[in-house]
Formats: sequence, C-alpha cells, structure tokens
Amino acid sequence: AQSVSQHNHHVILSEAASLELGCNYSYGGTVNLFWYVQYPGQHLQLLLKYFSGDPLVKGIKGFEAEFIKSKFSFNLRKPSVQWSDTAEYFCAVKGNNRLAFGKGNQVVVIP
Amino acid sequence: EAGVTQSPTHLIKTRGQQATLRCSPISGHTSVYWYQQALGLGLQFLLWYDEGEERNRGNFPPRFSGRQFPNYSSELNVNALELEDSALYLCASSFGPDTQYFGPGTRLTVL
Repeated sequence: AQSVSQHNHHVILSEAASLELGCNYSYGGTVNLFWYVQYPGQHLQLLLKYFSGDPLVKGIKGFEAEFIKSKFSFNLRKPSVQWSDTAEYFCAVKGNNRLAFGKGNQVVVIP
Repeated sequence: EAGVTQSPTHLIKTRGQQATLRCSPISGHTSVYWYQQALGLGLQFLLWYDEGEERNRGNFPPRFSGRQFPNYSSELNVNALELEDSALYLCASSFGPDTQYFGPGTRLTVL
C-alpha cells in the first residue's frame, strides 16, 4: 500500500517569504502525485498534479512542485507567499485508484 | 459546472444509531470515493464505487458500507455508530482514473 510523509506540520512565515513543503511517498507502482489545498472554511481543492512528463509541474496561484523519482519526493514551492495562502496543504499519492494522503501542513502567512 | 455536492452538512447522532450520508458527483463522473478526515488521523480512504459496483475499500469495519445509484450518486451508511466515528466525511468524484475532485464534506458528530 502507498504512503505519504509530510514534515513541518506547522509553518508560519511572513508575506513575500518563500515556501517549500516537503513530501515523500512510498509506492511501488506508477505514481500519480497531487497537492491539494484546504483554505479556511472551504473544501479540499486541487493545487497541482503530476502524472508523467516534465517533472516540474506548475499549478494554480503561482505554486509549483518537482517530482524527483530517485528521492521519492514531490516538494511544493512558492517563491513569494501572500496572506491568502494561509491554508492546510496535503500531498497525496494515487495507487489502485485510491488516494493516500499525508498528515498535512498547516501554513500561516502573517501580513 | 456544479462541483461535488454532499448532504447533510452536519449530522448529529448518538452511539448505536445509523448515519446515512449522500453525495452527488460532478456531471459526467462515474467514480465516487469516500474518505474520512478524523482529528489526528488525517484523510483516510474508505470506499470507491464505479459504475454501481464497490471496487475497493480501505481498512474500515463492515459497518461502513454504501452504494452507488444508476445516476452515479452515492450513499455512505455507518451502522452501530461509535464515538470515534465522529469526523468529516469527504466525497470525491472522477471520470475513470483521472483526478479526484472533492465535495465540502459532511461533519458527523456522535454523542
């Protein structure tokens, strides 16, 4: 069965700072990887996904993630965060059509 | 285009009762997934329905069950409720093995 590890569960940073959230997965098959975001009071939304091809994936709102197969990683980055990026971020890997999620990163951006 | 919808938004039950949660997928999506988001446990896969059939289930007891109707909507039933069943239950839908899109969830509280 697949599994996902996310580190630094609580992240606090100031506006304009850079953000990087780590994600490591474990799965023996073909990987489909995702980052979902949950803004306060809203439902889970897709931020970006990787199925195949270019390992550098660009998503919505200036986010990007890089798939590094040798490191089993899919880290999320944003060069300059805004207050509106305050949210919980979940990394997920799909296997057998089910998603396995990490525990999430609670990110708070201070204006 | 309407997203995934779930009802009710909140549900309060007592131990031993049964709960029924409902989900309507995005139009054109044939697969429905159920996930449990419990405090401290993160998002865990519960069930996957496709074309009216249960295709896969997570590590949950048989008192968690459901079905998918001909119009692809789905119901999750939880029998003999226990206190630890209190959680946010999320439904997601997809077209085949493609990306899963999530609904707002049903908050189940067991007293």
